[in-house]
Amino acid sequence: GAVVSQHPSWVICKSGTSVKIECRSLDFQATTMFWYRQFPKQSLMLMATSNEGSKATYEQGVEKDKFLINHASLTLSTLTVTSAHPEDSSFYICSARDRTTANSGNTIYFGEGSWLTVV
Amino acid sequence: AQSVTQLDSQVPVFEEAPVELRCNYSSSVSVYLFWYVQYPNQGLQLLLKYLSGSTLVKGINGFEAEFNKSQTSFHLRKPSVHISDTAEYFCAVSKNSGNTPLVFGKGTRLSVIA
Repeated sequence: GAVVSQHPSWVICKSGTSVKIECRSLDFQATTMFWYRQFPKQSLMLMATSNEGSKATYEQGVEKDKFLINHASLTLSTLTVTSAHPEDSSFYICSARDRTTANSGNTIYFGEGSWLTVV
Repeated sequence: AQSVTQLDSQVPVFEEAPVELRCNYSSSVSVYLFWYVQYPNQGLQLLLKYLSGSTLVKGINGFEAEFNKSQTSFHLRKPSVHISDTAEYFCAVSKNSGNTPLVFGKGTRLSVIA
């Protein structure tokens, strides 16, 4: 089946530094990718919608200058957490929609997630 | 906008007993409905989805769910649970058209007791 790969799975960074998380669709092309964050024992909250070749659409309350999203190709979207602080520590999950089934079945695949710990 | 309510935050159940995890949704347009499972420190795994057609949907690991439009519900059921079913379960909804994201409920923690 379709696979979405996230890298890294775990990352620890120092406060004030930036960290990049990659989301790749391995065997399909994704015109749209979604980024979610999940705090411990909580649900997934949509952060932004990433469309290939255009600017991401951010949800209310999500700082676009802090969470930079780039979707430069049909198989790769990146989330960069800039000037990270401990409160940014969370589980970040991406999902990708297969462009061939975007309008027939809403086929969305999720990555395995990336744990970010800011110390 | 769509929203999802999972009525139970935690459901403890004995092994081999049946279980039902409740999910209600709100939407002004037609929707797709999903159930995902998340094991500790892992990503999401799709259990099943309702897109159209038969309202009873069968998924992996012996789970099934029934779409009830009049009650705006999509409850998840399993006739006999195993210890390995212990996990967090999320109900999700999306519009049935366009490039729309999934909206998740708050999740239900299923704990299977030996």
